[in-house]
Amino acid sequence: EAGVTQFPSHSVIEKGQTVTLRCDPISGHDNLYWYRRVMGKEIKFLLHFVKESKQDESGMPNNRFLAERTGGTYSTLKVQPAELEDSGVYFCASSQVRGQTYEQYFGPGTRLTVT
Amino acid sequence: GNSVTQMEGPVTLSEEAFLTINCTYTATGYPSLFWYVQYPGEGLQLLLKATKADDKGSNKGFEATYRKETTSFHLEKGSVQVSDSAVYFCALGRNEKLTFGTGTRLTIIP
Repeated sequence: EAGVTQFPSHSVIEKGQTVTLRCDPISGHDNLYWYRRVMGKEIKFLLHFVKESKQDESGMPNNRFLAERTGGTYSTLKVQPAELEDSGVYFCASSQVRGQTYEQYFGPGTRLTVT
Repeated sequence: GNSVTQMEGPVTLSEEAFLTINCTYTATGYPSLFWYVQYPGEGLQLLLKATKADDKGSNKGFEATYRKETTSFHLEKGSVQVSDSAVYFCALGRNEKLTFGTGTRLTIIP
């Protein structure tokens, strides 16, 4: 079974440009999450999809970030326009909820560098 | 709100040494607790978990016990190997959301 995949693995863009990150969850997982780790700090939650619906987007930093999950399969996270403080590693995770004992499976992350 | 406080790194140990990485948490209700590991060049992997008080999670020789009275979930291993070198993250799960600690970089030297 394929794991969570993310593309690209690394992106370097200039301040003011746009970048789109993609996440393909494990097949059959309805739940998809985005997290990011900025400058070696803790990994922070961004948002949670259940199928194509946003369940919780309380961690989205501002309106420069737009996440979509059309058709309830893969998801994209667009940053427009990018700022220097957006640099970090963006992780995607997916899960199948089994009562309270859920596990989130993470992708390898996309390292975003804004110069 | 929920938060996780994790032992500051980096930690350097000799092979076969005993490992403890401390983790304490603050949360409402009864969260699930996790340890994730990130090996060099790879993504996060679930190492072990515990879902209720006094549960012990274990995997690959690592153990952690969910201690409600001390709100702790310390990671331990009796004899570390060079291959255990990685970054370890403690996390709590509540309302479908994971809250992570800052991570502890562990280096094992032969």
